[in-house]
Amino acid sequence: AQSVTQLGSHVSVSEGALVLLRCNYSSSVPPYLFWYVQYPNQGLQLLLKYTTGATLVKGINGFEAEFKKSETSFHLTKPSAHMSDAAEYFCAVMDTGTASKLTFGTGTRLQVTL
Amino acid sequence: DVKVTQSSRYLVKRTGEKVFLECVQDMDHENMFWYRQDPGLGLRLIYFSYDVKMKEKGDIPEGYSVSREKKERFSLILESASTNQTSMYLCASGTVPRNYGYTFGSGTRLTVV
Repeated sequence: AQSVTQLGSHVSVSEGALVLLRCNYSSSVPPYLFWYVQYPNQGLQLLLKYTTGATLVKGINGFEAEFKKSETSFHLTKPSAHMSDAAEYFCAVMDTGTASKLTFGTGTRLQVTL
Repeated sequence: DVKVTQSSRYLVKRTGEKVFLECVQDMDHENMFWYRQDPGLGLRLIYFSYDVKMKEKGDIPEGYSVSREKKERFSLILESASTNQTSMYLCASGTVPRNYGYTFGSGTRLTVV
């Protein structure tokens, strides 16, 4: 069974600082990997995804993530945090077999301070 | 844009009531999903469906059932609501190829009293 581990349920950064949200996955086959963002009182919005090809993927709002197979990681980064980035972020893995279920991590709440 | 619409934003029900949560998508997606979201637990899959009248159990199906009579509509049913089903419920839809990811609704916050 696939699983996702997000290190740190809460991360706080200053505005303008680097954002790094960690995600490690467990999968017996190369997975599809996703990052979603959830703003207060809203559903989830897709930030970016890795399926095949280039291991560094760029998403919306200046976020990017790098798939590192050797480390089974898919960490999310943004060079300079903005107040509007405050939200909850979820990493997810999708199996590439017959089922296309998404398995989510427990989420990381990002706080951005002045 | 794909829209996934959940019929209620907030819902309060009494213990033992039968509860229906409705989800409608407008992009002819084959796959539809119901998740519940709880603090510290992330999103957990309850049920999903690949086609009309087809359903599969997810990771936490106990106490729930689903119905998919039309392609665009996927209903989650709590046969006899209990307080431990108080949660945020999120519906999602997607299509093949599977690597497109899913589109989520805004969620229904259900409180069972």
